[in-house]
Amino acid sequence: AQSVTQLGSHVSVSEGALVLLRCNYSSSVPPYLFWYVQYPNQGLQLLLKYTSAATLVKGINGFEAEFKKSETSFHLTKPSAHMSDAAEYFCAVSGENKLVFGAGTILRVKS
Amino acid sequence: SQTIHQWPATLVQPVGSPLSLECTVEGTSNPNLYWYRQAAGRGLQLLFYSVGIGQISSEVPQNLSASRPQDRQFILSSKKLLLSDSGFYLCAWRGDSNQPQHFGDGTRLSIL
Repeated sequence: AQSVTQLGSHVSVSEGALVLLRCNYSSSVPPYLFWYVQYPNQGLQLLLKYTSAATLVKGINGFEAEFKKSETSFHLTKPSAHMSDAAEYFCAVSGENKLVFGAGTILRVKS
Repeated sequence: SQTIHQWPATLVQPVGSPLSLECTVEGTSNPNLYWYRQAAGRGLQLLFYSVGIGQISSEVPQNLSASRPQDRQFILSSKKLLLSDSGFYLCAWRGDSNQPQHFGDGTRLSIL
């Protein structure tokens, strides 16, 4: 069965600093992986997806993630945080007929 | 392009009252459909999903039920709401296997 672990329920960075949100997965088949962002009182928005093509995936809003099979990781990064990046972020892996989501990481950006 | 509609955006209901939340998808056929709930501090919980008309899979036994009367319509219901049913309800759809899910804007349900 597939599973996702997001390390750190809360991450705080200063504006302009590097954003690093960690995601490790477990999958019995080659995984399809996704990152979503959720702003307060809104639905989840797809940031990026890994579907077995390039291991470095670029997404919207300047985010990117790197698939590392040896580490079973799919960490999300952004070189310079903006105040508008403050939100909750979810990592997900594709399972049978559904996605399996991590518990989420709340990103706080300090001015 | 595909769109997903979910309504209402907010709902306040008394304990013991019935519930019906509706979700519709446009621009695609035979989507997989999903209902999630987010309760305070409890993450994203999958409630039901459907791979076709009349086909409902329940992930968590509880006070809710789901139905799919049409290909692109997914309904979440309850006969008698409990205080614990409060939360943010999200509908989502997905096309082919291993594709991302796309979410609606959510319904904030408060039970009094």
